[in-house]
Amino acid sequence: AQSVTQLGSHVSVSEGALVLLRCNYSSSVPPYLFWYVQYPNQGLQLLLKYTSAATLVKGINGFEAEFKKSETSFHLTKPSAHMSDAAEYFCAVRISGPGNQFYFGTGTSLTVIP
Amino acid sequence: GAVVSQHPSRVICKSGTSVKIECRSLDFQATTMFWYRQFPKQSLMLMATSNEGSKATYEQGVEKDKFLINHASLTLSTLTVTSAHPEDSSFYICSARDREGGTQYFGPGTRLTVL
Repeated sequence: AQSVTQLGSHVSVSEGALVLLRCNYSSSVPPYLFWYVQYPNQGLQLLLKYTSAATLVKGINGFEAEFKKSETSFHLTKPSAHMSDAAEYFCAVRISGPGNQFYFGTGTSLTVIP
Repeated sequence: GAVVSQHPSRVICKSGTSVKIECRSLDFQATTMFWYRQFPKQSLMLMATSNEGSKATYEQGVEKDKFLINHASLTLSTLTVTSAHPEDSSFYICSARDREGGTQYFGPGTRLTVL
């Protein structure tokens, strides 16, 4: 079975500080992993994805994530938070197969304090 | 990048009426589309998988007679919420899988409010 756990439903950081959003997954097969960002009343925007190539994945807006198989983690980081980073962030796992379904975490709301 | 559109973006309807939401892949063909719903402050929950030309596959607990899905072409899937009730008020998001590359792209969502 596949599942995603995001630790911390709310994270607050100061502008310019490091952003760290945690994601752990469970999967019976090698997973594809994703981070999405959602702004209020909008759909999902892909930040980055891991598809079994490099373990350190760089995405848009300065975000990156590292796939650690031994820790079953795919934490999202950004060295310096910007006010525009305030949003809801979702980690997701997808497996290959007929369904090709996404399984989403419960989301982490990021607040950036000026 | 590929674009998926949803129409309408917002809809308000009276209890008991039916509402149709369209999901279109604008610059690619999608043999498979997915429908999700998202309650406030919660994650996305997959409702059903829609395959072009065949019946949709519904997740456990989703009423197929209430949430009618039609995937009549490679670029269009529709979700009809029949006899809507206030508890159906939610944010509905579709995604479409590119027939060529297999990448999924998400639509911008539709906010449904049932009075």
